[in-house]
Amino acid sequence: AQTVTQSQPEMSVQEAETVTLSCTYDTSENNYYLFWYKQPPSRQMILVIRQEAYKQQNATENRFSVNFQKAAKSFSLKISDSQLGDTAMYFCAFQANTDKLIFGTGTRLQVFP
Amino acid sequence: EAGVAQSPRYKIIEKRQSVAFWCNPISGHATLYWYQQILGQGPKLLIQFQNNGVVDDSQLPKDRFSAERLKGVDSTLKIQPAKLEDSAVYLCASSLGGGRRETQYFGPGTRLLVL
Repeated sequence: AQTVTQSQPEMSVQEAETVTLSCTYDTSENNYYLFWYKQPPSRQMILVIRQEAYKQQNATENRFSVNFQKAAKSFSLKISDSQLGDTAMYFCAFQANTDKLIFGTGTRLQVFP
Repeated sequence: EAGVAQSPRYKIIEKRQSVAFWCNPISGHATLYWYQQILGQGPKLLIQFQNNGVVDDSQLPKDRFSAERLKGVDSTLKIQPAKLEDSAVYLCASSLGGGRRETQYFGPGTRLLVL
């Protein structure tokens, strides 16, 4: 069975600084997708970034980038130049040979001015 | 483009009562998902529809939960009778087609409290 683990329940960072959120997963599949979703307080979940397992190059979306280590089954999210609007719950998610997303328990990120 | 709509946003019921949630996906999206998000946990898929057919309902507690997607557009999720452990946020999501390349777009969720 696939599992996703986020070991940091809460993180905090000062505005304009950089923060890294950790995620590890377990699977026997070779081809899969990994995602980071953001869930702001009382607002809907939105996709931040996606990584395809067969691509060696790490995905980047503006201030958001990932460090994908396939052998270690690690998928961390780096947020550069943190902004107050980045305050949210961040979920790591895994998707293998079905559409089903398997989520971790989330990391609550607080950005301080 | 309008997003995924859900109603109601909040619901409080007593155990053993019934409740229903409604979801309207993004126009043209063939695939619709219902997730349950218990406090402190990540969302868990309950059921997936492709048009009006069920693709995956392996984690739906079928003795009390039911869902339908008539005409392949709107969907309703029902709980009858509700239990205390059903207290959660119920998220609806949709994607253009099926498949792993498709982004799932989430609605704002319905927060259910069972007393």
